[in-house]
Amino acid sequence: AQSVTQLDSHVSVSEGTPVLLRCNYSSSYSPSLFWYVQHPNKGLQLLLKYTSAATLVKGINGFEAEFKKSETSFHLTKPSAHMSDAAEYFCVVSSQGGKLIFGQGTELSVKP
Amino acid sequence: DVKVTQSSRYLVKRTGEKVFLECVQDMDHENMFWYRQDPGLGLRLIYFSYDVKMKEKGDIPEGYSVSREKKERFSLILESASTNQTSMYLCASSSRDRRGYTFGSGTRLTVV
Repeated sequence: AQSVTQLDSHVSVSEGTPVLLRCNYSSSYSPSLFWYVQHPNKGLQLLLKYTSAATLVKGINGFEAEFKKSETSFHLTKPSAHMSDAAEYFCVVSSQGGKLIFGQGTELSVKP
Repeated sequence: DVKVTQSSRYLVKRTGEKVFLECVQDMDHENMFWYRQDPGLGLRLIYFSYDVKMKEKGDIPEGYSVSREKKERFSLILESASTNQTSMYLCASSSRDRRGYTFGSGTRLTVV
């Protein structure tokens, strides 16, 4: 069975500093992995996805994530946080049947 | 612009009422999903459908049923609403190859 764990429920950074949101997954086969972002009172937006091509995946708004099979991790990073990055972020794994399995979410706060 | 449309943004219903949440997609997607989102729990899959008149239980189907009479429409039904079903409900769709998932904006249901 597939599962995903987001290691931090809340992360706070200062504007201009790096962002790291951690995600570990469990899968019995080569998974598809996603990061979604949800701004307050908005729908879910796809940031990036990994589908067994390059292990370093670049997404929108300067975010990227690296698939590390040996560590079963798919951490999301951004070199320099912006105030508009404040939102909730979800790490997601796709099951063989096509279902999306969500992590518990990480709320990112950005201080001026 | 392709989209998934949920008929209501906010709903308030009374305990014991039968509640219908409607979802329509215009992308000719085979797969459709209903999730509920609760703080600290991420999104949890209630039901999904791979085709018209096909449905399968997700992780938390108790107290819910679904209907998919047409390819573009997937309805979530609360047979007898209870206060513990107060939540944000999100509909999603994907093509059969699962290359992309599109989410609706959500329906925030309050059961009083």
